Amino acid sequence: AQKVTQAQTEISVVEKEDVTLDCVYETRDTTYYLFWYKQPPSGELVFLIRRNSFDEQNEISGRYSWNFQKSTSSFNFTITASQVVDSAVYFCALSEGLIQGAQKLVFGQGTRLTINP
Amino acid sequence: GAVVSQHPSRVICKSGTSVKIECRSLDFQATTMFWYRQFPKQSLMLMATSNEGSKATYEQGVEKDKFLINHASLTLSTLTVTSAHPEDSSFYICSARTPQGDNQPQHFGDGTRLSIL
Repeated sequence: AQKVTQAQTEISVVEKEDVTLDCVYETRDTTYYLFWYKQPPSGELVFLIRRNSFDEQNEISGRYSWNFQKSTSSFNFTITASQVVDSAVYFCALSEGLIQGAQKLVFGQGTRLTINP
Repeated sequence: GAVVSQHPSRVICKSGTSVKIECRSLDFQATTMFWYRQFPKQSLMLMATSNEGSKATYEQGVEKDKFLINHASLTLSTLTVTSAHPEDSSFYICSARTPQGDNQPQHFGDGTRLSIL
């Protein structure tokens, strides 16, 4: 069965610091997607990134970057020069299969990130 | 971009009341929608997969008679919490997957915060 582990329950840093959120996953499938979502206090889920299992290329989007390593089953998320607006709960998620119908998302426990001014 | 609308955003009602939550895809047709539940400070757990024109598929441990799902059209799925009790208080969030294939992530509604007194 698939499983997503976010070992860091809470992280608190001072503004402008870099912070990395860890995500480790388990799956028996060779084809899958990995996701990161942001959940601000208002509750909605904000999609950040999707990666498929065949694409290990790291990605950078502004202050956000993601490191996908299949060898360690990890998909870590780094925020550079953090800002107070980055404060939220961040979820890593996994969905198995790349064919239609296999889109159930399994979420990690989430990491509550607090950026202090 | 694609938008999923969820209504109501917040419900407070007495124990024993049945509550209906709507999930609408606003600018695309969604043959599949998903219902998740999130308890305070916890992760999102998939409750059921809602399929247009057929019965919903419930996850293990989710009572189908308690959480009635109807997906009568390509743009609307409803979740009815029947005879709600305080332990049903939670954040319910729906998502919809576009039918164009697997390049689109799930689009989430803004969630419904249900409080049963």
